[in-house]
Amino acid sequence: GNSVTQMEGPVTLSEEAFLTINCTYTATGYPSLFWYVQYPGEGLQLLLKATKADDKGSNKGFEATYRKETTSFHLEKGSVQVSDSAVYFCALSGRYGGSQGNLIFGKGTKLSVKP
Amino acid sequence: KAGVTQTPRYLIKTRGQQVTLSCSPISGHRSVSWYQQTPGQGLQFLFEYFSETQRNKGNFPGRFSGRQFSNSRSEMNVSTLELGDSALYLCASSLSTSGEGEQYFGPGTRLTVT
Repeated sequence: GNSVTQMEGPVTLSEEAFLTINCTYTATGYPSLFWYVQYPGEGLQLLLKATKADDKGSNKGFEATYRKETTSFHLEKGSVQVSDSAVYFCALSGRYGGSQGNLIFGKGTKLSVKP
Repeated sequence: KAGVTQTPRYLIKTRGQQVTLSCSPISGHRSVSWYQQTPGQGLQFLFEYFSETQRNKGNFPGRFSGRQFSNSRSEMNVSTLELGDSALYLCASSLSTSGEGEQYFGPGTRLTVT
């Protein structure tokens, strides 16, 4: 079945450091891919998305490229800030019968950024 | 445009009771999905409704049920509560009619079962 694997956390970085959070997926067909972020005590916020191979999603300095050949969707940011401290979830959305409305999430990666 | 709203935000129930959670989607969104978030299992899909019909269902026991009204608002019900039902319940709405588009989440309802 469809699944998402993302790197275990927590990840601790200093402010202005480079961030990479790895995400790989297993899916039937061509899913849409997403990164969501969850701040303490809140629901999930959509960070970025990509709907087909080689698409690059970007938002607030974060980027991720849909790599079909490696089934990956790694999240990157060139210079993190303290305000980026949160839990990040990689997710995929199925396109075929039985998968509608069903996001499949990775376990989440907690990021802590120190001043 | 107002976001997804969920009520109540916090709830404490005892084992054996039942509970109903409510979700109002973003205006114009007809798809509503529900997820359970726990530290051990992470985020798990419960069910999805579109135009008042359950279109997809996750692997949860029959104690978990839901419905959607004509105005797209949705409720989920859990009967005969168990300690393991303690979780953050998240509702999400989507504009996509195919069910594959991005979903927008509410703040969640934190359910504690004692």
